[in-house]
Amino acid sequence: QKEVEQNSGPLSVPEGAIASLNCTYSDRVSQSFFWYRQYSGKSPELIMSIYSNGDKEDGRFTAQLNKASQYVSLLIRDSQPSDSATYLCAVDAGTASKLTFGTGTRLQVTL
Amino acid sequence: KAGVTQTPRYLIKTRGQQVTLSCSPISGHRSVSWYQQTPGQGLQFLFEYFSETQRNKGNFPGRFSGRQFSNSRSEMNVSTLELGDSALYLCASSLAGVGLEGFFGPGTRLTVL
Repeated sequence: QKEVEQNSGPLSVPEGAIASLNCTYSDRVSQSFFWYRQYSGKSPELIMSIYSNGDKEDGRFTAQLNKASQYVSLLIRDSQPSDSATYLCAVDAGTASKLTFGTGTRLQVTL
Repeated sequence: KAGVTQTPRYLIKTRGQQVTLSCSPISGHRSVSWYQQTPGQGLQFLFEYFSETQRNKGNFPGRFSGRQFSNSRSEMNVSTLELGDSALYLCASSLAGVGLEGFFGPGTRLTVL
């Protein structure tokens, strides 16, 4: 079983809709959870971090964490074509000195 | 505030050669982590340095090594290059550990022929 799992997609949503990206992780000691966005040919860009159960909102982005279910998600409201990218879920390995990444979900926002 | 810089941006080597990549973290950041990104394996953790000490290491062969200097700049070295080492090598800097919000540099694209 992979340590961090994401659906590879592509996830296709129309412009203006809500995109929902999901991630599950296996290590119960993980305390820090991140979402990175990566455009083709570019490096990952940190867009959200979440450390406690519940929701965290930042602009059009909402991260949700459920440690009991070992599940973290990212909602993107009012999706724009510029949101089309690969979204990487990252989880700490019980230590601040290492992150484990999922393989990413490719999001396509269509006009 | 300047971001993470990596040099060189592109590199072409042949099998058996060695290579050294450099990463300069964001000013004030003391932690530097290195990752290898390939289409098949995604982002794989190589190692992390904090205050010149390696705190964590991934599952890579000993051909992959690194170090960090007193100014927090870091280098990674790959010896006896193999075709499978072709990848995007990314470094991430953070204040105290990438698990506390890490910011990636643009990466070094290594091609091994």
